Amino acid sequence: ETGVTQTPRHLVMGMTNKKSLKCEQHLGHNAMYWYKQSAKKPLELMFVYSLEERVENNSVPSRFSPECPNSSHLFLHLHTLQPEDSALYLCASSQRVSSYNEQFFGPGTRLTVL
Amino acid sequence: QQQVKQSPQSLIVQKGGISIINCAYENTAFDYFPWYQQFPGKGPALLIAIRPDVSEKKEGRFTISFNKSAKQFSLHIMDSQPGDSATYFCAASGQVKGGADGLTFGKGTHLIIQP
Repeated sequence: ETGVTQTPRHLVMGMTNKKSLKCEQHLGHNAMYWYKQSAKKPLELMFVYSLEERVENNSVPSRFSPECPNSSHLFLHLHTLQPEDSALYLCASSQRVSSYNEQFFGPGTRLTVL
Repeated sequence: QQQVKQSPQSLIVQKGGISIINCAYENTAFDYFPWYQQFPGKGPALLIAIRPDVSEKKEGRFTISFNKSAKQFSLHIMDSQPGDSATYFCAASGQVKGGADGLTFGKGTHLIIQP
């Protein structure tokens, strides 16, 4: 595997379910990010991790819970989601958390909440 | 102040023509302006980026023009090809909060190059 991988690629869940999204980067980077991409809206930064420590949380609802066990893996735990949470969730990584570092994106997980 | 406004929302250009996408920002703390390209089923990928100390950057058929006083920047795709058909996002970032910061994206432009 190369680059940034995400699993699953598609997920359908009910509002009472609990699920997790997984991201893995094979680039030796130290920073990882979660973004939300909704139709006709800008990509929204959700969480930023640097060396496994969360450095930014853009006021995301608590029904989204990130976890970064090491610099290569990032999870997004989901529980009691709402239909408006349906979107493409993108993971990205960069060499370090810096404005000038290129961010490499995974292909995303297409989430549908029923 | 964190917004980046992008236009047009969609654009159709004939093969060989010039595609132009515009972005504007408000926050003067932004000091890095990348453009990302996204194909269906893929994540965005960095296309070209500029810092405000230069007014133009060119890489192959892709050029960023930057106007610091107007707080605007644009992407020009010369000799547009059908393979350029994708969604393009402008973005901006900077040490806005004195520390780590992700990218602030525009809403995207869906570009179609007609053969």
